[in-house]
Amino acid sequence: NAGVTQTPKFRILKIGQSMTLQCTQDMNHNYMYWYRQDPGMGLKLIYYSVGAGITDKGEVPNGYNVSRSTTEDFPLRLELAAPSQTSVYFCATMVTGNTEAFFGQGTRLTVV
Amino acid sequence: TQLLEQSPQFLSIQEGENLTVYCNSSSVFSSLQWYRQEPGEGPVLLVTVVTGGEVKKLKRLTFQFGDARKDSSLHITAAQPGDTGLYLCAGALGDYKLSFGAGTTVTVRA
Repeated sequence: NAGVTQTPKFRILKIGQSMTLQCTQDMNHNYMYWYRQDPGMGLKLIYYSVGAGITDKGEVPNGYNVSRSTTEDFPLRLELAAPSQTSVYFCATMVTGNTEAFFGQGTRLTVV
Repeated sequence: TQLLEQSPQFLSIQEGENLTVYCNSSSVFSSLQWYRQEPGEGPVLLVTVVTGGEVKKLKRLTFQFGDARKDSSLHITAAQPGDTGLYLCAGALGDYKLSFGAGTTVTVRA
């Protein structure tokens, strides 16, 4: 069981470029989340999904998009990258009825 | 603004000392969790507390949930260098969303 797998681990983007952060899970969890973590700010929720075909905005969704076509995959898309999107991004899952979150190892993104 | 306020932000102690980390809010949570995060890794759940006044022990770690379910504390006895990390509290908002505090960075010096 790999749990929650994120790729890539590191990425440097130029301003205005786009990219997709990949997240896949093999735990068959319905709920999936994308967070960003900035120093001293904790984890902020970007988008979440309660099941395949259903997504919703979190606290800080601007500049991002998501899709959830399967239970396993929940990619995060950055269009027109900006320096403010420099952060560490974490994907997480949760099983229905239990609020324990399982996190991937994170993607460190730098926009220059 | 953070729904959950953690204090202190940083804590550096000598091996063998005790420490306490606090997590406070004006909101009531159905449950509260503590996670530990090591550099380059995602957070990992340590404990979930559900009942007001609940105390849970995990080896040298003691977790307490306030009577009103608005605050929590984490106490580490005889800290070891392996306890070094970022400690995050998270409150459950309904059935499937968590609100995280900003975290306390704990450094235990050998």
